Amino acid sequence: GAGVSQSPSNKVTEKGKDVELRCDPISGHTALYWYRQRLGQGLEFLIYFQGNSAPDKSGLPSDRFSAERTGESVSTLTIQRTQQEDSAVYLCASSLKISSGNYGYTFGSGTRLTVV
Amino acid sequence: KQEVTQIPAALSVPEGENLVLNCSFTDSAIYNLQWFRQDPGKGLTSLLLIQSSQREQTSGRLNASLDKSSGRSTLYIAASQPGDSATYLCAVKGSGGSNYKLTFGKGTLLTVNP
Repeated sequence: GAGVSQSPSNKVTEKGKDVELRCDPISGHTALYWYRQRLGQGLEFLIYFQGNSAPDKSGLPSDRFSAERTGESVSTLTIQRTQQEDSAVYLCASSLKISSGNYGYTFGSGTRLTVV
Repeated sequence: KQEVTQIPAALSVPEGENLVLNCSFTDSAIYNLQWFRQDPGKGLTSLLLIQSSQREQTSGRLNASLDKSSGRSTLYIAASQPGDSATYLCAVKGSGGSNYKLTFGKGTLLTVNP
């Protein structure tokens, strides 16, 4: 597609439920990233994919968080047993490649998750 | 660990003013620096990308400079308009083993008053 697409745009869930957030990167972008932005905070790195592999998962806050990518395309971020502190905007970005480091990111519009 | 600081945290100006947003980073070993704009409830829109070998980039009324050795970047907005009101984020991409990860500042909330 023309841009990075994320769905849903908004999600309200009850504490303890599982949620899945989806990201469709720009076609041909081999690198994909998930970031989290909590209210009043800066963006926190969660995980990065190169192809379907995730060389760096260091930003995932707990084992309740997991992510996968298939077909070097769509990625899903899953949060199990959601807690109120998981409420945030979850942003996905993609870029052409990372080997040279000299590529910029393109971000999606984000998924606003509210845990009640 | 890279840290990015943006000053001021908030800025309010009358329409038509020229303004400067500041960004500083602690580790000068970067590949590039990117300025983004974020509107309320929206994602990030990339404004300008400056490679580590470059000194500045321009797009329309926007000009971004980079002084890598001193760990500073500025975003200059000329003849500001109410539509420029948004949060402006600075992000640096590290070199070496972390050449994929962006480190963000907390942003400058800009309000341009008509």
